[in-house]
Amino acid sequence: GQNIDQPTEMTATEGAIVQINCTYQTSGFNGLFWYQQHAGEAPTFLSYNVLDGLEEKGRFSSFLSRSKGYSYLLLKELQMKDSASYLCAPIYYKLSFGAGTTVTVRA
Amino acid sequence: ETGVTQTPRHLVMGMTNKKSLKCEQHLGHNAMYWYKQSAKKPLELMFVYSLEERVENNSVPSRFSPECPNSSHLFLHLHTLQPEDSALYLCASSQVGTSGNYNEQFFGPGTRLTVL
Repeated sequence: GQNIDQPTEMTATEGAIVQINCTYQTSGFNGLFWYQQHAGEAPTFLSYNVLDGLEEKGRFSSFLSRSKGYSYLLLKELQMKDSASYLCAPIYYKLSFGAGTTVTVRA
Repeated sequence: ETGVTQTPRHLVMGMTNKKSLKCEQHLGHNAMYWYKQSAKKPLELMFVYSLEERVENNSVPSRFSPECPNSSHLFLHLHTLQPEDSALYLCASSQVGTSGNYNEQFFGPGTRLTVL
């Protein structure tokens, strides 16, 4: 819903950096979450952006540009355990989820 | 442990059965949600109970019926389901401000439902 667009799959090697882009509809936008979801498990919170700019949390960072309807999640120093689906979730009057980007980390 | 529990974790039912999924949150939140997650599809919001108001996704069939007796408990009653209803059903809770601003949602582990 809400024209959320993120890549379906990405593959990278251990120790590398991955950037997952997300674009969304700007009308009614109130902020954006990123969630991580391992196969067969529930999503877990990674980050929240409401203002423009970069939010850094250890190896993970998230960026938001409200005027462009654009966000990205940056994963640094990739580890095997980072293999998961990453969900972009912008907030309108309710939370909407993108289809998720499946990241595969290879040794 | 996120503070949101769901039972049962797995459920297999026939199309003529009636069953209920249960969710309980121990976080003091004032909003609870049901999501459906089918294979390789986005999370689909089914129902929201927020500030004592129910918001529905109008595309959800009537064979799914939610019940929220209080702010800590949420049920999803199932009857005459179809095989395509087989999916992971996730419950979540969050704190919603009086101005309607939504905060981070905490998810339960989900119920894996199989309809035969």
